[in-house]
Amino acid sequence: EDKVVQSPLSLVVHEGDTVTLNCSYEVTNFRSLLWYKQEKKAPTFLFMLTSSGIEKKSGRLSSILDKKELFSILNITATQTGDSAVYLCAGDIYNNNDMRFGAGTRLTVKP
Amino acid sequence: SQTIHQWPATLVQPVGSPLSLECTVEGTSNPNLYWYRQAAGRGLQLLFYSVGIGQISSEVPQNLSASRPQDRQFILSSKKLLLSDSGFYLCAWRRLNYGYTFGSGTRLTVV
Repeated sequence: EDKVVQSPLSLVVHEGDTVTLNCSYEVTNFRSLLWYKQEKKAPTFLFMLTSSGIEKKSGRLSSILDKKELFSILNITATQTGDSAVYLCAGDIYNNNDMRFGAGTRLTVKP
Repeated sequence: SQTIHQWPATLVQPVGSPLSLECTVEGTSNPNLYWYRQAAGRGLQLLFYSVGIGQISSEVPQNLSASRPQDRQFILSSKKLLLSDSGFYLCAWRRLNYGYTFGSGTRLTVV
């Protein structure tokens, strides 16, 4: 059975800290790994990772995929209170109209 | 640009009452559309997806149904709500090589 596991489930840090969020996956016919940020409502797209070892960056956020060890990490440097959210990762599947989502990591950044 | 609209934002319904949630997409044609449910502290679960008018696929047996009467309209329904139908419902469409774009969500509480 396909599964995506995120860790930690929750994390509390102070502004300026650097955090690393983990996502491991076991997905049949894996195509790509996606990260989303969910604040109060709909998740918003952050990254899509298809190739192993290639880091994607967007401002203070970066992510990388390891297809051999079946995991991805999301790094956030110099965290701000606006980074507080639930971060979801999802495994995308070839020839399928579904993604397998993890339960998310709830990040709280305190001033 | 493509946008996705979902309403209502919040809904409180008694057990046994009917349900109708609507989702419309603008700025694209023949989109793949999805309904997801997110229970508290859990990942997103795919309920239905549609690749075209009148084409509905159900991922899990449940008390809900979906319809696609027009190309850019996707409706989630129930004839009689159960307490277990409470949750956060998200409509989404899939952009090629990009992942999902989600609507703003409907928080349904069945009382």
